[in-house]
Amino acid sequence: EAGVAQSPRYKIIEKRQSVAFWCNPISGHATLYWYQQILGQGPKLLIQFQNNGVVDDSQLPKDRFSAERLKGVDSTLKIQPAKLEDSAVYLCASSFGSSYNSPLHFGNGTRLTVT
Amino acid sequence: AQSVTQLGSHVSVSEGALVLLRCNYSSSVPPYLFWYVQYPNQGLQLLLKYTSAATLVKGINGFEAEFKKSETSFHLTKPSAHMSDAAEYFCAVTLGQAGTALIFGKGTTLSVSS
Repeated sequence: EAGVAQSPRYKIIEKRQSVAFWCNPISGHATLYWYQQILGQGPKLLIQFQNNGVVDDSQLPKDRFSAERLKGVDSTLKIQPAKLEDSAVYLCASSFGSSYNSPLHFGNGTRLTVT
Repeated sequence: AQSVTQLGSHVSVSEGALVLLRCNYSSSVPPYLFWYVQYPNQGLQLLLKYTSAATLVKGINGFEAEFKKSETSFHLTKPSAHMSDAAEYFCAVTLGQAGTALIFGKGTTLSVSS
């Protein structure tokens, strides 16, 4: 099966600019996650979708981050305006069911550098 | 709230030596525990998981982990390290409830020398 696709692979922007990341999950996977992985730390959940509904966005900085999952398939994560501390790898993952009974499949991530 | 703590951000072993990566968890209810591995320039992939069945869990590539409730631990081991095991390893926890996501530890980088 095809894996989780993410683009772009790398992005460099200046602070206060905006950026968007795209994720295409594995076909048939109802649950989609966006994680932020800062250098030297483990992935931190930003938002979790079940089909096209938000299940958990408690750690999403909503003043600058937004995410959507149209038609319950592809998803985009946007940052506007970016700050230096947003430099990180943004990981998209999908699973067939819930995280405790369905393994998460991760994409290769988008590495964002904010200068 | 649940969390995991990985002891040691970097572990170095010689090829053929025992690999031991430590993970302790905190959870108010019986947890589901996972180990994920991230090879250079690749996405995270599942190594093994504990879901309240057998306490000794076997995963891919010869790795295994033992759930010890009394010690709140879920350490990852492999009897004999191989050069290809060099990667970053993440311990993760979740609850057995729909809608709960994985919470990851900070990761341990494993280096293997010849």
